[in-house]
Amino acid sequence: AQKITQTQPGMFVQEKEAVTLDCTYDTSDQSYGLFWYKQPSSGEMIFLIYQGSYDEQNATEGRYSLNFQKARKSANLVISASQLGDSAMYFCAMREPYDGGFKTIFGAGTRLFVKA
Amino acid sequence: ETGVTQTPRHLVMGMTNKKSLKCEQHLGHNAMYWYKQSAKKPLELMFVYNFKEQTENNSVPSRFSPECPNSSHLFLHLHTLQPEDSALYLCASSYQRDSLTDTQYFGPGTRLTVL
Repeated sequence: AQKITQTQPGMFVQEKEAVTLDCTYDTSDQSYGLFWYKQPSSGEMIFLIYQGSYDEQNATEGRYSLNFQKARKSANLVISASQLGDSAMYFCAMREPYDGGFKTIFGAGTRLFVKA
Repeated sequence: ETGVTQTPRHLVMGMTNKKSLKCEQHLGHNAMYWYKQSAKKPLELMFVYNFKEQTENNSVPSRFSPECPNSSHLFLHLHTLQPEDSALYLCASSYQRDSLTDTQYFGPGTRLTVL
């Protein structure tokens, strides 16, 4: 079974509008962390935002917020006021306990296109 | 230089060549990683180093040979590669591998093409 599922291979959004990128995860652990990364065409994966499983409030970083719904095991990324520079691949990742340590698993990504 | 740097950014090599990818981090981190990113596949973790010691090798073929001389530098030595090894190779670093909140920071990647 997929540990991280990003069901939207591609998304379009109009400039200045908000967009939600979906991410669901699968884990039996109570302690885990959730991350979102942005990958522009240049290739570099840029860390955007982190949410811990015990965090009661949704994480926010500037125009990025994470809509964390623990019972549904979803960690959707919301980008407000989209800009042309937001066009990129977006990856959701989960960090969970594994074999005495931790491991980070990445989803397949969602490509976001921002239209002028 | 700041963050994580990788050289070269692009590499074309024949199957009989030997080449090396270099990664350097300027973040004071203790762990470094090599990932392979192929088209339409999730990111694949290849190797992990923690305080210069290799802690993970995820069944990577021996034609890929990592080297970590210190916590700031990571190399990936390549020899007798196959065309299916063509991909974007990403290096990452993090401060504390044994922490749930540990965040990995990535370099810009090396786009490798094997002819």
